[in-house]
Amino acid sequence: DAGVTQSPTHLIKTRGQHVTLRCSPISGHKSVSWYQQVLGQGPQFIFQYYEKEERGRGNFPDRFSARQFPNYSSELNVNALLLGDSALYLCASSLRSAREQYFGPGTRLTVT
Amino acid sequence: RKEVEQDPGPFNVPEGATVAFNCTYSNSASQSFFWYRQDCRKEPKLLMSVYSSGNEDGRFTAQLNRASQYISLLIRDSKLSDSATYLCVVNFISNYQLIWGAGTKLIIKP
Repeated sequence: DAGVTQSPTHLIKTRGQHVTLRCSPISGHKSVSWYQQVLGQGPQFIFQYYEKEERGRGNFPDRFSARQFPNYSSELNVNALLLGDSALYLCASSLRSAREQYFGPGTRLTVT
Repeated sequence: RKEVEQDPGPFNVPEGATVAFNCTYSNSASQSFFWYRQDCRKEPKLLMSVYSSGNEDGRFTAQLNRASQYISLLIRDSKLSDSATYLCVVNFISNYQLIWGAGTKLIIKP
């Protein structure tokens, strides 16, 4: 079975631009979570979706938004990019909320 | 105080030795606990869940101490391939979030 997939793997954007990151969960998993990870830190929770509804939101500005589609795939959108948004963005899927999560390879975003 | 705290290390350990990490959490209502490992510039990978009675998976043993609010990971007969960052993860019962520690870096030396 395919694991969690994310696209793109790498992305370079300039300040002020918009970015959309995509994630497909493991087949049968209904929960998707998004994390931001900067070097030397653990993943920081951004959003969690379960059955297409937002279940949780971390301490991120409104520039960050996400959604989950009927096939359980998900998008993370970031508007008005700042230099500080440069990070590895990880998507994780799980059967249901707050259980074991399985991560995709991440999207490495660089904002210049 | 951080919700989940780990010693960042690095722990420099000779091959074949036993090493243990602790992770403390602040919310006594926490329900689920996990250990992940993360290799440099890779995604975290689930190592093991942590059960109340403690659990073992090969060379790895995880323990939960609810009274003192910490979980531990013990690695026996360490291998060079065990070199990684080990992340502690806790679920707080009040929401659906998993709260991550910053990780403990382990370096196994030949």
